[in-house]
Formats: sequence, C-alpha cells, structure tokens
Amino acid sequence: EVQLVQSGAEVKKPGESLKISCKGSGYSFTSYWIGWVRQMPGKGLEWMGIIYPGDSDTRYSPSFQGQVTISADKSISTAYLQWSSLKASDTAMYYCARQLGYSYPDYWGQGTLVTVSS
Amino acid sequence: QSALTQPASVSGSPGQSITISCTGTSSDVGGYNYVSWYQQHPGKAPKLMIYEVSNRPSGVSNRFSGSKSGNTASLTISGLQAEDEADYYCSSYTSSSTLFGGGTKLTVL
Repeated sequence: EVQLVQSGAEVKKPGESLKISCKGSGYSFTSYWIGWVRQMPGKGLEWMGIIYPGDSDTRYSPSFQGQVTISADKSISTAYLQWSSLKASDTAMYYCARQLGYSYPDYWGQGTLVTVSS
Repeated sequence: QSALTQPASVSGSPGQSITISCTGTSSDVGGYNYVSWYQQHPGKAPKLMIYEVSNRPSGVSNRFSGSKSGNTASLTISGLQAEDEADYYCSSYTSSSTLFGGGTKLTVL
C-alpha cells in the first residue's frame, strides 16, 4: 500500500526556520516525483514544486522559487520542505503528494499544519 | 501561470447529476490529456477521483466521470449522494508545472 506520512503540526514565530518531512513507503521512492502543495486557511490548492528523489532534480513554481527549499534523502525515503525565515503569511496546511512528473498527484500525505504567529 | 478557472459553487439534490467545469488554455488543459480531479472533505487531504481526463482510480465510484472539450474539462457526478458534498479541484499538466483550479464547493441540498 502506497503511503506518504508527514511530520506533525508546527507552531513557529516569524523569522524562525523550519523543515517538515514526508516519508514514502509501499512503492519505489526513487521512481516517482514528490510534490508539495500549499493550502492557506479557507483557500484552494497551490502547487509549490517537485523533487525526483532518484537524482534530487528539483523544480519550483515561480510563485515559490526562492521562498522555500525542497530536498530529499533517498536513503530514508523522505522528502523535505524548508523555510529559512518564516512569515505569518506562511501559515497554511502543506501536503506532499506522489507525482509522475508534472502530470498529476495521485497519493497524498495527511498534511502538516504550519502556524506562524508572534 | 494563472490557476485554472472553476465555478465557486454548484449544488444539486440527491439523485440528480451535476457538472463542474475547469477552463484553462491550450498550454495546459487543451494541450495535454493530463487533467485530474480531486475531492476534498473538510479537514481531510485531497483524494484523486479522475486522472488523465476520464480514468477512475480503483475504488472510485462510477458515478464520477470526466471529459474534455478544447480548453475546458468537466467532472460529472451522477446520482448525487449526501457524501459527495465536498470541495472539488481540477488539475492540469503544463510543460513547466502542475496547475490547480480555484476549487468548487459542491452542496447537496
């Protein structure tokens, strides 16, 4: 069974750094892309970018380029999304999802809620 | 790239059929057969309902169907049930990203 399990909810202050994770199992982690999707409170889905864990090839949506960093450690089947300096506007639910390139996400993680507040 | 365009809301009575549209351009919806649809209940992760325009993943009810004409894709739900009340999002491949629609809230009256 394909599963993506994300790390738990985080509460941070503006300016702090953060790295959240997404662990894949039940399939060949290095053969599919992992994408990250943001959902701000009460809003729709926004595609942030993807990484291919096999060779760490990473692509970003122009809206998120330079704002976040996507990485992966294939040895532990885990992808990451990180911020170096959080802003209140980063408050959102973040989902990871398995993708075949840019085609479509099929399996999704349960989501990680990030709250940034002073 | 702009988000794909969906109606903000649709509604229908139990047993009826409804259709949700998703309009893009020739660079996304119209250019590729990689349109997908997701159902999201409150507080839950999105669930894939349709992929590659009209294919249903295993386990998804055949009451859900997808189609495409030109730059507009559509999701049809027949025999509406109370459990279908949720937000629905379309998604499309582009040459440099994945695009989502703004989402449609389906209310079952």
